[in-house]
Amino acid sequence: DTAVSQTPKYLVTQMGNDKSIKCEQNLGHDTMYWYKQDSKKFLKIMFSYNNKELIINETVPNRFSPKSPDKAHLNLHINSLELGDSAVYFCASSQEAGGYDNEQFFGPGTRLTVL
Amino acid sequence: AQSVTQPDIHITVSEGASLELRCNYSYGATPYLFWYVQSPGQGLQLLLKYFSGDTLVQGIKGFEAEFKRSQSSFNLRKPSVHWSDAAEYFCAVGSDNYGQNFVFGPGTRLSVLP
Repeated sequence: DTAVSQTPKYLVTQMGNDKSIKCEQNLGHDTMYWYKQDSKKFLKIMFSYNNKELIINETVPNRFSPKSPDKAHLNLHINSLELGDSAVYFCASSQEAGGYDNEQFFGPGTRLTVL
Repeated sequence: AQSVTQPDIHITVSEGASLELRCNYSYGATPYLFWYVQSPGQGLQLLLKYFSGDTLVQGIKGFEAEFKRSQSSFNLRKPSVHWSDAAEYFCAVGSDNYGQNFVFGPGTRLSVLP
């Protein structure tokens, strides 16, 4: 069984469109994350939710809006896509939001290409 | 806030040779340290982690890492590299603070020559 899954795996879209990426974890974890990995492989956290509540919100454009319907899901909605949004987006989860059990389990990533 | 540096952007080793990937961190308290590996087109997989206790930590796939507080380092080692180890390696530092960022280093790309 896949621990952290993301859909879609690839997403190609035009500038200005609105798109969503879905993430689900079946590990029973309390905390979920979204990361952006740019073309140089640099990983930057975007958001973190603990039990459906936002706990980390880095400086990302407000075109990005995370939604957590329950603690097993954290979806990422992006409005008015721009060329610079092209990247690989990773979802992750961890049992705790800090400490030793902050080990994060990653999904396979969603490669977003904005044309 | 914590930070992580990985001085080597790209390392090439021959198959069977030993490997050491460097990681230096900056954090005011005792850090939680992690090494992850990312194979091409894949997500990240945890190799090992450290918080306290024995400063030499054993991980999966034959990797180990040594925590040196005096040098603020957490270097990853493997005595004999296999071609399948070619990947991107990320060092990361977490904290005990609820909600504090889990910070990744910039990564080191490992190439393995046959």
